[in-house]
Amino acid sequence: EPEVTQTPSHQVTQMGQEVILRCVPISNHLYFYWYRQILGQKVEFLVSFYNNEISEKSEIFDDQFSVERPDGSNFTLKIRSTKLEDSAMYFCATYGLAQFFGPGTRLTVL
Amino acid sequence: TQLLEQSPQFLSIQEGENLTVYCNSSSVFSSLQWYRQEPGEGPVLLVTVVTGGEVKKLKRLTFQFGDARKDSSLHITAAQPGDTGLYLCAGEGNFNKFYFGSGTKLNVKP
Repeated sequence: EPEVTQTPSHQVTQMGQEVILRCVPISNHLYFYWYRQILGQKVEFLVSFYNNEISEKSEIFDDQFSVERPDGSNFTLKIRSTKLEDSAMYFCATYGLAQFFGPGTRLTVL
Repeated sequence: TQLLEQSPQFLSIQEGENLTVYCNSSSVFSSLQWYRQEPGEGPVLLVTVVTGGEVKKLKRLTFQFGDARKDSSLHITAAQPGDTGLYLCAGEGNFNKFYFGSGTKLNVKP
């Protein structure tokens, strides 16, 4: 069964450093998403991506965040200068007839 | 923003009991999805409901979409310890954007 994969599973970084989180979507899906879940809190929408451009983004998705699909398979989320409050689980999801989630990347900012 | 309220937030029951989780909104959704999430993992899709009044069954789980497509319920019959987890509902709004409820944390005691 096709699935969404994410790497790395856990990323530890220093405050102010750049991180890139990677996702390989399900191959025939056209919509891609990034969500964030701070420990013990709800799943928060960050951004959706369709046809190689952002279709929607939330207030959380400020200038520190960017997404791209560099090679037609990977879908990446970049945080330019990480802050302590960026520590969370980051989930990639893709949408075909339904929305499927990857296993997540746990980002820890020290 | 299309808000989804889930209730109850926490539920602790004995094995064999029945339970219902509710997901309510004042907004209309084109579809509604239920997920189950284990700690440290991504949400796993249980079901998608699309049509107002639709009822779907998945073994001991029964999902219903309200007639007006603003609310949904998840009913579990004869709960088992393996049902323990965080249950999330997510409504699909405009432009394939998904709005998540805050979740119901279920604990089924043996």
